[in-house]
Amino acid sequence: QKEVEQNSGPLSVPEGAIASLNCTYSDRVSQSFFWYRQYSGKSPELIMSIYSNGDKEDGRFTAQLNKASQYVSLLIRDSQPSDSATYLCAVNIFRQAGTALIFGKGTTLSVSS
Amino acid sequence: EPEVTQTPSHQVTQMGQEVILRCVPISNHLYFYWYRQILGQKVEFLVSFYNNEISEKSEIFDDQFSVERPDGSNFTLKIRSTKLEDSAMYFCASSEGLAGETQYFGPGTRLLVL
Repeated sequence: QKEVEQNSGPLSVPEGAIASLNCTYSDRVSQSFFWYRQYSGKSPELIMSIYSNGDKEDGRFTAQLNKASQYVSLLIRDSQPSDSATYLCAVNIFRQAGTALIFGKGTTLSVSS
Repeated sequence: EPEVTQTPSHQVTQMGQEVILRCVPISNHLYFYWYRQILGQKVEFLVSFYNNEISEKSEIFDDQFSVERPDGSNFTLKIRSTKLEDSAMYFCASSEGLAGETQYFGPGTRLLVL
C-alpha cells in the first residue's frame, strides 16, 4: 500500500513568519513530488514540483527533497493571511504522464495577522 | 492562462440514477484524469486516460464508472447507478504528456446523491 503521510495540523503561524510543512512517503522508488494548495471547497492548485534531492526555490516557497529519508517539505517565507489553506503533498511513483498522483490528507495552515 | 473547466459545478441526483460529469482539459494536453475527494478526506485517484484508452485505474473505479472522450475537447466521467457513498467532489485534471507529467486540476463538480 503506497502511503503519503502529513501532519493534519492545524499549523498556526503569525504573519511574516516561516511556515514549515512536512511529508513522508512509503514507496522508495517514488520519483516526482508535488505540493498543491487547496482552499476550502476549491480544487488543488499546484505550487511546486520537485524531482531531485535538495532544495528548489520559487518566490516565497522552497521545496526540499530527501529521497534517502523519504521526506519532502515545503517552507513558506514571509507567511501571509492569504496563505491560510490546506497544503497537499502528492507523489507520483513514476516520473511519467498518465500515472496516478497519491495524495496525503493535507496540512491545514493558519496565518494570523 | 489555459485552465481545465468542469460542468456542472454542482449536481444533485437520486440513488440509482446515472450521472455524467464533464470536463474540458487544457487544449494541448494529452493525458486526462479523474480524482474524487469525499468531504473531509484526501484526494483519491480514479482513472487516467490517454489516446482514447484507460492507462491506469484504481480499485475505486469499478464497473459502475466509465470514461469517454466523445469529441476533440470533452472528457466525461459516467457513474451508471449512483450510490450514497458516491457523494464527493470530483476533479478532472490534465497533463501535457511526455516529460510534462505535472497535473493541473479543474474546479470540480460537487456530486450529492440522495
